[in-house]
Amino acid sequence: DADVTQTPRNRITKTGKRIMLECSQTKGHDRMYWYRQDPGLGLRLIYYSFDVKDINKGEISDGYSVSRQAQAKFSLSLESAIPNQTALYFCASSDAGLYNEQFFGPGTRLTVL
Amino acid sequence: AQTVTQSQPEMSVQEAETVTLSCTYDTSESNYYLFWYKQPPSRQMILVIRQEAYKQQNATENRFSVNFQKAAKSFSLKISDSQLGDTAMYFCAFMTPDSNYQLIWGAGTKLIIKP
Repeated sequence: DADVTQTPRNRITKTGKRIMLECSQTKGHDRMYWYRQDPGLGLRLIYYSFDVKDINKGEISDGYSVSRQAQAKFSLSLESAIPNQTALYFCASSDAGLYNEQFFGPGTRLTVL
Repeated sequence: AQTVTQSQPEMSVQEAETVTLSCTYDTSESNYYLFWYKQPPSRQMILVIRQEAYKQQNATENRFSVNFQKAAKSFSLKISDSQLGDTAMYFCAFMTPDSNYQLIWGAGTKLIIKP
């Protein structure tokens, strides 16, 4: 089984709908992240969490919210989806070790019509 | 601002050849970590190799090695004996402890290995 899982893998929705993307990890990591990937750009950080009670905004948090339900679960919500939120979304987790190496989920491709 | 620049949007080489992907970065920090990630068509983001800035020795992982030039803020990836399975997007990234270990990413290089 994959260490970091994301659901759904693909989602098509309409403008104005509320969308939740879910992420779970079985690596026992404290730190979790949500990134967005657009064509021609690298990944950009949306939110990150260093433990269950810690939530931090990343570079592009506007229009998004997150919830850390447990150490293993970190969900991303789009309260009112808009077309320019069409992108590939990645969840990642890491421990607090020397490299803070991040392990990525398979990604969710979201299309907002 | 901390930035990462990958100047080669796309490269292609023949199978078994050696290819070098370029990456430059900008930071005022002295302690940081550098990474190369591979993203094949499956979309999965896979760590290829990493380098600590305080280490002078270049990291190697099998056919993958880096040329780390700290003064020039350059971190290139060399793939030897390239294989068809190396076809992917390659992203350079770095993080610093002082920025809460946030990864800063380049825009990526699309590498195509031709049979």
